[in-house]
Amino acid sequence: AQSVSQHNHHVILSEAASLELGCNYSYGGTVNLFWYVQYPGQHLQLLLKYFSGDPLVKGIKGFEAEFIKSKFSFNLRKPSVQWSDTAEYFCAVTGEYGNKLVFGAGTILRVKS
Amino acid sequence: DAGVIQSPRHEVTEMGQEVTLRCKPISGHDYLFWYRQTMMRGLELLIYFNNNVPIDDSGMPEDRFSAKMPNASFSTLKIQPSEPRDSAVYFCASQMGGSGYTFGSGTRLTVV
Repeated sequence: AQSVSQHNHHVILSEAASLELGCNYSYGGTVNLFWYVQYPGQHLQLLLKYFSGDPLVKGIKGFEAEFIKSKFSFNLRKPSVQWSDTAEYFCAVTGEYGNKLVFGAGTILRVKS
Repeated sequence: DAGVIQSPRHEVTEMGQEVTLRCKPISGHDYLFWYRQTMMRGLELLIYFNNNVPIDDSGMPEDRFSAKMPNASFSTLKIQPSEPRDSAVYFCASQMGGSGYTFGSGTRLTVV
């Protein structure tokens, strides 16, 4: 069965700091990978996704993620965070037929202004 | 497109009552998913449909939970009878095979 592990449950950064959130998945076959963001009191929004091709994926709001197949990882990065990036971030994975989306436990990011 | 539409946004009910949550997926999307989000358990997939047919309901916690999709534009998740431990945010999401999911705004259920 697929599973997703997010390394940090809480991250606190100052504005302009760089961000990297870790995500590792467990699945033997072809995967599709996603990062979602959930702002306080809101629903999940897609930040970016990887299906195939260039392993460095750029998403909305300046976020990017790199798929490293050998490490089963899909870490999320942003060079300079803003206070408005305060939210919970979820890594998720589906198998190659893209049905069941399995989520990690989430990482709560708080950016101090 | 209005996105995935869920109703109600908030529901407060007494233990033992029946609760029905509703979802309208994005037109043309052939997959529909129901998730539950709690602090303790995170995001859990309850059930998903493909072309209105339930494919995997292994995440449905117990017989008190049931879900239907009578047509491509409507799904319900019913809890009968409800219990306080069912309090959570319930999200509906839809997908067109292979693309990313689009989530609704969720229904925050409180059972007192």
